[in-house]
Amino acid sequence: SQELEQSPQSLIVQEGKNLTINCTSSKTLYGLYWYKQKYGEGLIFLMMLQKGGEEKSHEKITAKLDEKKQQSSLHITASQPSHAGIYLCGADRSGTYKYIFGTGTRLKVLA
Amino acid sequence: NAGVTQTPKFQVLKTGQSMTLQCAQDMNHEYMSWYRQDPGMGLRLIHYSVGAGITDQGEVPNGYNVSRSTTEDFPLRLLSAAPSQTSVYFCASSPGGRDGYTFGSGTRLTVV
Repeated sequence: SQELEQSPQSLIVQEGKNLTINCTSSKTLYGLYWYKQKYGEGLIFLMMLQKGGEEKSHEKITAKLDEKKQQSSLHITASQPSHAGIYLCGADRSGTYKYIFGTGTRLKVLA
Repeated sequence: NAGVTQTPKFQVLKTGQSMTLQCAQDMNHEYMSWYRQDPGMGLRLIHYSVGAGITDQGEVPNGYNVSRSTTEDFPLRLLSAAPSQTSVYFCASSPGGRDGYTFGSGTRLTVV
């Protein structure tokens, strides 16, 4: 079973629409990381959340970590075709930088 | 800076052959990891290292060996390639803290 569950698995939205991607763990996390992967390329680090209730923004992307540090959401405002790709959440379960990853959410933005 | 460099980018192996995937970083990062990415499975950790001379197993270590003789290099060795090892392999490094891992561009390996 996957220790980090992401939903939805795929998403198709019209340009300009808002969207949310979720990442859920059955265990409390030491740190939660969000990455973006363009098709056929490596992963690009977006942001890291560590404290319960923490919220961070990067351009039009906002990520939040819940108080129990078991669930995170990634919200994109006014989506653009450049936001298309695979979004993955990664977690450090014990503070050892031994990351696990979710299965990813494939995002397509229609112009 | 080059960041994390992986070679080769593509490789085809025959079942039973061995090979080494190279990974080098020039950022003086302590932490390095190898992942494989398969459709529907996300990224799975193979091996990781917290510094030169120190390595540990990840989620799917069988069939792979690693060593970390220097801070910069973290090669991944396939001992006897099997079709199940067909995948995209990513190497990553991190300085620790809140910076996250920097990923290489990947090696696409096919075992026939």
